Amino acid sequence: EAGVTQFPSHSVIEKGQTVTLRCDPISGHDNLYWYRRVMGKEIKFLLHFVKESKQDESGMPNNRFLAERTGGTYSTLKVQPAELEDSGVYFCASSRQAESTDTQYFGPGTRLTVL
Amino acid sequence: AQSVSQHNHHVILSEAASLELGCNYSYGGTVNLFWYVQYPGQHLQLLLKYFSGDPLVKGIKGFEAEFIKSKFSFNLRKPSVQWSDTAEYFCAAFSGNTGKLIFGQGTTLQVKP
Repeated sequence: EAGVTQFPSHSVIEKGQTVTLRCDPISGHDNLYWYRRVMGKEIKFLLHFVKESKQDESGMPNNRFLAERTGGTYSTLKVQPAELEDSGVYFCASSRQAESTDTQYFGPGTRLTVL
Repeated sequence: AQSVSQHNHHVILSEAASLELGCNYSYGGTVNLFWYVQYPGQHLQLLLKYFSGDPLVKGIKGFEAEFIKSKFSFNLRKPSVQWSDTAEYFCAAFSGNTGKLIFGQGTTLQVKP
């Protein structure tokens, strides 16, 4: 089966601009997660979708971040306006079920650089 | 709050050396633990996971980890590393109610041929 895909792989923008990241989960996976790794720090949870509903968005840094998953398939994460501290690698993951025994499969990540 | 910590940020070994990467978690309830690996230029992928049963868990590529509840630890081991094991390794814990993974800081392993 095809894995989790993310687009773009890299994005370089200036402070104040808008960027939209996309994630396509594995087909049939209802659960979709966004994580972020700021350089030198640990990978941190941002939010979790079950189908098109936000199950947990406790990790979203602030209201400059907006995640959507219309139709319960792919998801987008928009940062508007971007700030320097938003730089990092944004990972998407998906799983069939949100249970502890279910593996989360990760995408390759999008490296975002805000200048 | 639940947290995961990894002892070593950067480890350098020669081929055939034994590997042990430390991982400790802080959580009083049921814990489900994972080790993920990210090879250069590749996705994060699951090495192994523990959720119940035998505390010694075997994963892919000869890796294993031991869950020691009394020490809140889940250390990753491999008896003999290869150059191809060069990667970054992440310990993570799953909080079942929320579905989110909590990661340690990651350990970069460099294996010299």
